[in-house]
Amino acid sequence: EPEVTQTPSHQVTQMGQEVILRCVPISNHLYFYWYRQILGQKVEFLVSFYNNEISEKSEIFDDQFSVERPDGSNFTLKIRSTKLEDSAMYFCASSQLHGNTEAFFGQGTRLTVV
Amino acid sequence: SQQGEEDPQALSIQEGENATMNCSYKTSINNLQWYRQNSGRGLVHLILIRSNEREKHSGRLRVTLDTSKKSSSLLITASRAADTASYFCATDAMAGNQFYFGTGTSLTVIP
Repeated sequence: EPEVTQTPSHQVTQMGQEVILRCVPISNHLYFYWYRQILGQKVEFLVSFYNNEISEKSEIFDDQFSVERPDGSNFTLKIRSTKLEDSAMYFCASSQLHGNTEAFFGQGTRLTVV
Repeated sequence: SQQGEEDPQALSIQEGENATMNCSYKTSINNLQWYRQNSGRGLVHLILIRSNEREKHSGRLRVTLDTSKKSSSLLITASRAADTASYFCATDAMAGNQFYFGTGTSLTVIP
């Protein structure tokens, strides 16, 4: 069964460093998403991406964050100058369409900023 | 905000019993999805119910949707210890390109 894959599963980084979280969405899907979940809290929307551009972003997704689909298969989330409060589980998701189709999530990348 | 709320926040039952979790949301939706999350793991898609559907079944799962009350319920029948997890509803609002997650119900099934 096709699945969304994320790498790495766990990333530890020094405060102030840049990290890139990688995702390979399901191949025939057109919409891509990043969500995060701070430990013990709810899953929060960061950004959605369609047709090679951001279609929607939340207030969390400020200039520190960027997304890219560099090669037609990968979908990356870059976090510049990481802060302690960026520590969270980051989930990538994809869906074939938006509206009335399932969104499938990856296993997540646990980011720990020290 | 569209974000939903699940209740109860935590539920503890004996193996074999049924578990019911509820989700409420605020604005009109295209569909509602339920996900399971084992501790520290990813979100596993369970079931999607469209706004024009009232009930859907998948194995031991039964989902209902009442758009007039803006609420949904997830019933897990004959629960197993392996069902222990957090369960989230996510709504796909008519406007926008994101899914809104509820706060989750933490289910513990005691063997």
